[in-house]
Amino acid sequence: SQKIEQNSEALNIQEGKTATLTCNYTNYSPAYLQWYRQDPGRGPVFLLLIRENEKEKRKERLKVTFDTTLKQSLFHITASQPADSATYLCALGPGQNFVFGPGTRLSVLP
Amino acid sequence: DTAVSQTPKYLVTQMGNDKSIKCEQNLGHDTMYWYKQDSKKFLKIMFSYNNKELIINETVPNRFSPKSPDKAHLNLHINSLELGDSAVYFCASSQGRGGNEQFFGPGTRLTVL
Repeated sequence: SQKIEQNSEALNIQEGKTATLTCNYTNYSPAYLQWYRQDPGRGPVFLLLIRENEKEKRKERLKVTFDTTLKQSLFHITASQPADSATYLCALGPGQNFVFGPGTRLSVLP
Repeated sequence: DTAVSQTPKYLVTQMGNDKSIKCEQNLGHDTMYWYKQDSKKFLKIMFSYNNKELIINETVPNRFSPKSPDKAHLNLHINSLELGDSAVYFCASSQGRGGNEQFFGPGTRLTVL
């Protein structure tokens, strides 16, 4: 069955460092992968989309890579700030049959 | 203006009752979704509607029935509520298929006593 894992349930880093979050999947061949941010008590907010034929996408301090051979996506936040503290979810799909990962709760410490 | 809105935000009810959650989007999107996020924070898709037609119906009990009166609305009706239905329910919308970003509502926290 399809399985999506995100590297850890929680990740603590110091302000100013680069946060790297991992999304791994098995028994799945996604056409695209998305990353969302979720703050407590709120709905997820879309951050980035990367398609299977793309290796890397950037948006301001965010960078996403997608390796279909390793079946893995890496999500980087450079120059992290306390305001980046949130839960980050990866989501995979063909079409609209979305499957979300369990999320990684990131805490950026001042 | 709120892009995707849900009512109510909180819903506390007894087992066996029937309840509805409403969702509206003002983004002009043609696709809407219902998700369930349980206490372990897993976000699972329940239903998806495209142009008012059901296109995804995951393994969800028949007690859950979505209704889309028009493209801007997708309501969720739940019959005979059970303790295990307690969760946060999110509505979302997107334009078209193929991975376009989804816009989520603020969620409805359902507690079944």
